[in-house]
Amino acid sequence: DGGITQSPKYLFRKEGQNVTLSCEQNLNHDAMYWYRQDPGQGLRLIYYSQIVNDFQKGDIAEGYSVSREKKESFPLTVTSAQKNPTAFYLCASSIGTHEETQYFGPGTRLLVL
Amino acid sequence: DQQVKQNSPSLSVQEGRISILNCDYTNSMFDYFLWYKKYPAEGPTFLISISSIKDKNEDGRFTVFLNKSAKHLSLHIVPSQPGDSAVYFCAASAGTGANNLFFGTGTRLTVIP
Repeated sequence: DGGITQSPKYLFRKEGQNVTLSCEQNLNHDAMYWYRQDPGQGLRLIYYSQIVNDFQKGDIAEGYSVSREKKESFPLTVTSAQKNPTAFYLCASSIGTHEETQYFGPGTRLLVL
Repeated sequence: DQQVKQNSPSLSVQEGRISILNCDYTNSMFDYFLWYKKYPAEGPTFLISISSIKDKNEDGRFTVFLNKSAKHLSLHIVPSQPGDSAVYFCAASAGTGANNLFFGTGTRLTVIP
């Protein structure tokens, strides 16, 4: 049963703390993405990765970091430099970046305490 | 600057009737368009797409129409069913792949039984 999983579903961050959001896919997709969704806005691209050990900044990469050590995994770290981290975070994957159709995970809602 | 706009944040339709969701875009270089459907607490799922070489694409109860001169696309759902109640996002690409998708802000469709 292929798909994308994200954990946790809800995450709380204290001021000055780094937190890491997990994203795993078993679709054998090369490309993976992280989006942020805020109320009243469309999805905005944070980072994407076309292949293992490679990743590129999206439109709003400041305050975030990623790694792609395995094809299946693309974790996102929200650092203390991200001043407004409260949002809904969505991970997605596609066969390759040439393929527009993306498959999304269920999302993680990050809240700041 | 929102390049893809969904000006109606919500829409209510009676079961069995037609639902029409609209999307406008500003970038004339966009040549591939997608609709995603999102249930609460889940990630968006791909619904239907259309290339700019077509003006209509149909898949069961879902039809997407593209009017390039007006930079407008619409999603028709007929007949509407209560299970169609969700948030619908349109997205557009300039042919550069999934790392350059622009999403609209979404329209919440409620189908009333």
